[in-house]
Amino acid sequence: EAGVVQSPRYKIIEKKQPVAFWCNPISGHNTLYWYLQNLGQGPELLIRYENEEAVDDSQLPKDRFSAERLKGVDSTLKIQPAELGDSAVYLCASSLGGSTEAFFGQGTRLTVV
Amino acid sequence: QKEVEQDPGPLSVPEGAIVSLNCTYSNSAFQYFMWYRQYSRKGPELLMYTYSSGNKEDGRFTAQVDKSSKYISLFIRDSQPSDSATYLCAMKAGNQFYFGTGTSLTVIP
Repeated sequence: EAGVVQSPRYKIIEKKQPVAFWCNPISGHNTLYWYLQNLGQGPELLIRYENEEAVDDSQLPKDRFSAERLKGVDSTLKIQPAELGDSAVYLCASSLGGSTEAFFGQGTRLTVV
Repeated sequence: QKEVEQDPGPLSVPEGAIVSLNCTYSNSAFQYFMWYRQYSRKGPELLMYTYSSGNKEDGRFTAQVDKSSKYISLFIRDSQPSDSATYLCAMKAGNQFYFGTGTSLTVIP
């Protein structure tokens, strides 16, 4: 079974430019998470989806970040415009309803220069 | 104060040593307790999970939870160089996960 797939793996952009990340969760997983991970830190939640509904986006900086999960499957996270401080790893994870574990993708490493 | 506290290390041990990794937490609503392993430039992968106080063993790994003290541990026996990674504790309340900062472990051959 394929795991959580994220693309791109790496992205380098200039500040003030837009960037988008894509996530394909494990088939059948209705819960999807986007996390931000800075160097030496644990993942921090940006947004959580239950199917196509964003049920927790309290930590998402809505002035520049947006996300969508069309049809409750794939998801896209966008930053516009990017700032230097956005350089980090963006992780996508999915889980099946009330199951215990979340499965993570490889992450997208963003560098803003 | 963060809801989950974890010593970031780094921790360096010789091959074959017993490793002890620990986290404390403050939220009594946490129901599930997990350990993830994260290799450099990879996403976290689930190692073990438990939902009750006590021990759970899986090969060389033992997860221990003490809910009364709000303290969880991961023990690695006969540590191998391939165990070198960052270990993240995680706790779950509802559908929300809370992660520690991770402990960087290096096992020296």
